[in-house]
Amino acid sequence: ILNVEQSPQSLHVQEGDSTNFTCSFPSSNFYALHWYRWETAKSPEALFVMTLNGDEKKKGRISATLNTKEGYSYLYIKGSQPEDSATYLCAFPPGGSNYKLTFGKGTLLTVNP
Amino acid sequence: GAVVSQHPSWVICKSGTSVKIECRSLDFQATTMFWYRQFPKQSLMLMATSNEGSKATYEQGVEKDKFLINHASLTLSTLTVTSAHPEDSSFYICSARAAGGLGGYTFGSGTRLTVV
Repeated sequence: ILNVEQSPQSLHVQEGDSTNFTCSFPSSNFYALHWYRWETAKSPEALFVMTLNGDEKKKGRISATLNTKEGYSYLYIKGSQPEDSATYLCAFPPGGSNYKLTFGKGTLLTVNP
Repeated sequence: GAVVSQHPSWVICKSGTSVKIECRSLDFQATTMFWYRQFPKQSLMLMATSNEGSKATYEQGVEKDKFLINHASLTLSTLTVTSAHPEDSSFYICSARAAGGLGGYTFGSGTRLTVV
């Protein structure tokens, strides 16, 4: 993998469902993995910056895990709410420094009430 | 928390004219700002890195004479699209990180540019 790949591209769930999506990135020369939430007409909001293999971070109902050896991160949302509807982006800094970021195309989550 | 204000949020201009987009860090000093562009159904693509008091660093394939970047103070960076053409129509967004910050980057709200 040379770039960041996110799947699925889009996802529709019902309110109360739990969901997860994937970010794959190059495992060599890893430095950090960023997750952002981007609501329509707003600025992308930083959720997590993950650096350690096996790390798990949590923010309310949202959590993320990281596997740097195999090059993937999962984002989980427990009990989805309509306000969770957004595009979730992951990004990593290529070249092994926490500087400029390469982004995936994002996963568009729609939570139906 | 850190806030980046980006203006305008949308702009329509005639082909051949120039458009300036501003990004201001409101409550922190941004020695470095990043300018991204996003085409429909594509990812955010880094165009250039703006450094306060020095020349910007452009990514491969981005014309520095067309996309002029000025970062004259620690709180303001501007991107000017010169002699805009319809193919420059896109979504432009800036980001920065507070000095010493270890978290994610703070983004502006983006500018939708349409060149007619």
